[in-house]
Amino acid sequence: IAGITQAPTSQILAAGRRMTLRCTQDMRHNAMYWYRQDLGLGLRLIHYSNTAGTTGKGEVPDGYSVSRANTDDFPLTLASAVPSQTSVYFCASSPRTGDTDTQYFGPGTRLTVL
Amino acid sequence: GQNIDQPTEMTATEGAIVQINCTYQTSGFNGLFWYQQHAGEAPTFLSYNVLDGLEEKGRFSSFLSRSKGYSYLLLKELQMKDSASYLCAPLDSNYQLIWGAGTKLIIKP
Repeated sequence: IAGITQAPTSQILAAGRRMTLRCTQDMRHNAMYWYRQDLGLGLRLIHYSNTAGTTGKGEVPDGYSVSRANTDDFPLTLASAVPSQTSVYFCASSPRTGDTDTQYFGPGTRLTVL
Repeated sequence: GQNIDQPTEMTATEGAIVQINCTYQTSGFNGLFWYQQHAGEAPTFLSYNVLDGLEEKGRFSSFLSRSKGYSYLLLKELQMKDSASYLCAPLDSNYQLIWGAGTKLIIKP
């Protein structure tokens, strides 16, 4: 079934630990995105990638890094987690071709940093 | 700066019609998306407008006025399953979506 998968579904992490959130899509979309969603706030873009091999910083990139070695995978790494990174993380992808560039979202990862 | 303004919460009755308004200010504009998000789930695509006017898709319609920086989502024949948050998101000049905090819609029987 085509779509986006994320892993893990949820995680409790001690502050200072390193953590990688995984995201894989099988729609051959060019662009991929990482967002965080906090209660009462809109989705905030962390990092994005317009095509394999390139990445860019979003609105809230500090404390996070990404890589895009191939079309399908876009992992997000927290080098040293802090409690303010407690959030729900969504990965999304979009075709980046044609006039309409609809983003499709994965199911999310709920991360708690203690 | 970039700004999205939507009501925080709305309540409507099953079977009725509700209009959710969105005003926006962005650096450039390449269309506007509406997404639905049920509690604890991911956002899902509802509609996209790039030209002024009304786009109808079943029970849902979306309207855009680019000159006014205004859009609305119209939901007809409301069902209990329509209880969700509705996210307005214009696409800026860099083709990045700018997200509002969303409108939580509560449907009462």
